[in-house]
Amino acid sequence: AQKITQTQPGMFVQEKEAVTLDCTYDTSDQSYGLFWYKQPSSGEMIFLIYQGSYDEQNATEGRYSLNFQKARKSANLVISASQLGDSAMYFCAMREAGPFNAGGTSYGKLTFGQGTILTVHP
Amino acid sequence: DAMVIQNPRYQVTQFGKPVTLSCSQTLNHNVMYWYQQKSSQAPKLLFHYYDKDFNNEADTPDNFQSRRPNTSFCFLDIRSPGLGDAAMYLCATATTKRQVNEKLFFGSGTQLSVL
Repeated sequence: AQKITQTQPGMFVQEKEAVTLDCTYDTSDQSYGLFWYKQPSSGEMIFLIYQGSYDEQNATEGRYSLNFQKARKSANLVISASQLGDSAMYFCAMREAGPFNAGGTSYGKLTFGQGTILTVHP
Repeated sequence: DAMVIQNPRYQVTQFGKPVTLSCSQTLNHNVMYWYQQKSSQAPKLLFHYYDKDFNNEADTPDNFQSRRPNTSFCFLDIRSPGLGDAAMYLCATATTKRQVNEKLFFGSGTQLSVL
């Protein structure tokens, strides 16, 4: 089963409007972290926002906010007042505190969803 | 500024010709990761180092190897690149692998082409 699911391959939004990018996750861990990264065409991974599994408040960072619904295992990214520079690929990712297995399971690795390409129209 | 630096930005190699990608960091982080990202796909973890301890993902091909001579540098060696190895290779660092609330710091990536 996929750990991180992003069901929107592509999204379009008008400049200055808000947009929500969906993300659902699957884990049996009690302690985990959820991240959103932005990847422009240049390829660099830019950290946007973080939500911890024990955080009761939704995370916010400037124009970015995270709609965290733990019972539904969803962590949607909301971008308010979209700008042309927001056009990029967006990845939802999860970091789990699972056991370390020398055979290959990486303790604390970051697992990514498939990504959503956001296009902002003027 | 402290950062994660990957060189070169673009690398072209021939089918079967060994190639090495490099990553350096000034953050003094204990953990270094190598991810492979094929076009329009999610980054996939290949392996990571915790200090000098090397950890391979179960499905990482034997064709891929890594070296970490010191805290600052990490290398990805592809012994015999195939056409399917053409991808963006991302290096990332973290202070520890136990903190789920810690973000990873990524380099700008190396885009590998195999002719």
